[in-house]
Amino acid sequence: DSGVTQTPKHLITATGQRVTLRCSPRSGDLSVYWYQQSLDQGLQFLIQYYNGEERAKGNILERFSAQQFPDLHSELNLSSLELGDSALYFCASSGRTGEEAFFGQGTRLTVV
Amino acid sequence: LAKTTQPISMDSYEGQEVNITCSHNNIATNDYITWYQQFPSQGPRFIIQGYKTKVTNEVASLFIPADRKSSTLSLPRVSLSDTAVYYCLAELYSGSARQLTFGSGTQLTVLP
Repeated sequence: DSGVTQTPKHLITATGQRVTLRCSPRSGDLSVYWYQQSLDQGLQFLIQYYNGEERAKGNILERFSAQQFPDLHSELNLSSLELGDSALYFCASSGRTGEEAFFGQGTRLTVV
Repeated sequence: LAKTTQPISMDSYEGQEVNITCSHNNIATNDYITWYQQFPSQGPRFIIQGYKTKVTNEVASLFIPADRKSSTLSLPRVSLSDTAVYYCLAELYSGSARQLTFGSGTQLTVLP
């Protein structure tokens, strides 16, 4: 158990819908990272937050957004979902940028 | 943006040393290289991280040459349970912006 909790574990939704994925980082970790893993794209970095502020942005679509709340949990919002958004979405946390990051078990999103 | 490339797959036998190399072009001088292990249906798990020369921990060594255009993960005396996908991750700092790029992953299969 990495200490990073992601909910839900599985999510099935229709195209055009909007979903919210939730991540609770390890106790004391200030950094939260979001990654997408699909069969054809591999692991892709989406975005990082540090203590509530956006720190780095990767290959995140405009239809996607994220935020980190004062209690340090984070949410990834995916809207206008397309079939190609079906993937595993991982959250990871670390104490500070550059430190070892611990991954959650992921949320498997299936868009039908 | 740093790009990372690594072999798609490798086979080894139990008890052998395995070296997996990752190439990362245009990596900036203050980038870390991190390696992760991933089992099916699980989140990536941190193995080792380094900046230059050699880093060793209880499970692996990481060799980074002076030009930092590649890094090699060394797993001593692998066992069947080391069968997994191994990813390198390059961190790129550009001012206050930061990009994290995973390699495509190397499927290591350890044979008895």
